[in-house]
Amino acid sequence: DIQMTQSPSSVSASVGDRVTFTCRASQGINNWLAWYQQKPGKAPNLLIYSASSLQSGVPSRFSGSGSGTDFTLTISSLQPEDFATYFCLQANAFPLTFGGGTKVEIK
Amino acid sequence: QITLKESGPTLVKPTQTLTLTCTFSGFSLSTSGVGVGWIRQPPGKALEWLALTYWNEDKRYSPSLKGRLTITKDTSKNQVVLTMTNMDPADTATYYCAHWLQQVRRFDPWGQGTLVTVSS
Repeated sequence: DIQMTQSPSSVSASVGDRVTFTCRASQGINNWLAWYQQKPGKAPNLLIYSASSLQSGVPSRFSGSGSGTDFTLTISSLQPEDFATYFCLQANAFPLTFGGGTKVEIK
Repeated sequence: QITLKESGPTLVKPTQTLTLTCTFSGFSLSTSGVGVGWIRQPPGKALEWLALTYWNEDKRYSPSLKGRLTITKDTSKNQVVLTMTNMDPADTATYYCAHWLQQVRRFDPWGQGTLVTVSS
């Protein structure tokens, strides 16, 4: 199985901050990586797919980058509605695997 | 607009079989490239992929749960059913179904989820 390691597990930040977190795959995943945002009690919401493609309707302050095994999600200017947990998903090989999540908290 | 909704029991006893139904609209499971997957999330924990059924009768399962899972589709009813046998308290989780697009390998959108508690 491909292991997905997200870091950090949590981050404290302020509105307006630039925030970056990472997802590392245990082997190359050919950019088949998606990022999801999840708020408490809600289903995950797709932000980025294919490592860097912004899902329609998602604000442009979200961006994804990376290749091979190392990927990043960046929020260029953190907004109040962005405080949530973020998960990555690798879809290069079965079983599909998620990262453990990064929780973005208010500083 | 694509929507999905999970339904099934909220409480099952250990050793029982769980049957969950995903009812969807806005797409057809006979369209090339389309699939429906199941993902679960224990309270306060990360997401875990369970199973995926495709438009072309192909099915994939999580190896860690294979043998306990069966995914079936009814294209005419726009439904996908997941059964999980021999339920254990460790299977307590919110279960989600989600639309899958093979060309870009993404789950989007997801259903609202249904919390299943396993307890005697």
